[in-house]
Amino acid sequence: SQQGEEDPQALSIQEGENATMNCSYKTSINNLQWYRQNSGRGLVHLILIRSNEREKHSGRLRVTLDTSKKSSSLLITASRAADTASYFCATVSGRYSSASKIIFGSGTRLSIRP
Amino acid sequence: DTGVSQDPRHKITKRGQNVTFRCDPISEHNRLYWYRQTLGQGPEFLTYFQNEAQLEKSRLLSDRFSAERPKGSFSTLEIQRTEQGDSAMYLCASSLIYRGNEEAFFGQGTRLTVV
Repeated sequence: SQQGEEDPQALSIQEGENATMNCSYKTSINNLQWYRQNSGRGLVHLILIRSNEREKHSGRLRVTLDTSKKSSSLLITASRAADTASYFCATVSGRYSSASKIIFGSGTRLSIRP
Repeated sequence: DTGVSQDPRHKITKRGQNVTFRCDPISEHNRLYWYRQTLGQGPEFLTYFQNEAQLEKSRLLSDRFSAERPKGSFSTLEIQRTEQGDSAMYLCASSLIYRGNEEAFFGQGTRLTVV
């Protein structure tokens, strides 16, 4: 089963513009993570935000988390052609760390037009 | 290469045959996950291990699927009596869980085609 649902499913923007992807989830979480996947490859971890954090930055990435709305957003600023990929949010839930696991959403396919 | 490795990268099998995939995690990682991914979808959780213990197996997974992680090192995923619906990318990931936080490192996946 998938916990998160990304919006939009697909996004096409011009190089240099900012890209925003949203993720909604259903149950309470320990943390939320974003991953990137290039076509036919494995996923690469981008950033993790804990449930007690509201915003986090890493390079051109900005992630926000609103636990009251059970939602997160990923902003990629000054997009580049190399950012073309699928982006997935993943939630880690579980009352005890020994029972927690990583569950992925359905993803947003991002295309950057040159 | 000290990343997660999966073998084989591609597997074509006839319906009804058994297949086995192998995953070698990052050596110091205590968790190992198996996911299945079909085109245009996110990774679907199958099962995971902490050290050698299998913590959970997805209820969506039929009894034809079994996974092992002997000695808490590499893991194998076996699919018995394969069906066309089993065609997918099978992804393995490992992580080091610490204080409830973990970051998954993925292998390149094994693409299974059942004909």
